[in-house]
Amino acid sequence: DAKTTQPTSMDCAEGRAANLPCNHSTISGNEYVYWYRQIHSQGPQYIIHGLKNNETNEMASLIITEDRKSSTLILPHATLRDTAVYYCIVLETSGSRLTFGEGTQLTVNP
Amino acid sequence: ETGVTQTPRHLVMGMTNKKSLKCEQHLGHNAMYWYKQSAKKPLELMFVYNFKEQTENNSVPSRFSPECPNSSHLFLHLHTLQPEDSALYLCASSLGGNTEAFFGQGTRLTVV
Repeated sequence: DAKTTQPTSMDCAEGRAANLPCNHSTISGNEYVYWYRQIHSQGPQYIIHGLKNNETNEMASLIITEDRKSSTLILPHATLRDTAVYYCIVLETSGSRLTFGEGTQLTVNP
Repeated sequence: ETGVTQTPRHLVMGMTNKKSLKCEQHLGHNAMYWYKQSAKKPLELMFVYNFKEQTENNSVPSRFSPECPNSSHLFLHLHTLQPEDSALYLCASSLGGNTEAFFGQGTRLTVV
């Protein structure tokens, strides 16, 4: 599975959009981009995933660049409850194992 | 509530004890996983089961022994652990492939 690079930490004001970047320059054609988050001392929670096209669900939007070498997770209106570590993971379609890196600690401030 | 239930939520055990962690899911998933998360470290994948068969063991010491009696249940048997094994142990399940995984709330284990 391709490696990912994320900033260690980010801050965001409550009510504003949080844009979390992820670099995956070695991604291959059959690898999906997944995003999970982990609120302190809880199990990780699935957010969204995509292959080529941008995706949106009730939690977030995922923007994948045309060359697929990077992506951005967007939380449109961040709340204090969105404070968590956000993980960007690249995964083969035939694989079923998630490998977590360090992730980005997002802190939403009042 | 994710549909994946882990018990107990907290466990304190001595180094000579034997205990077991339990994970249960009724989501119809066929893949189940054990992860370990030590303080301020990323999650580490320990074991993977697909259709009750172990498909991955990431060089986990033999003092950790997994058991998957059916697709809905996963156990982690613990014996003669060390204090450095203290961590949050997380169970997850999925349909496999490129589907999302659902995690339990974890068992916070302290070895004294």
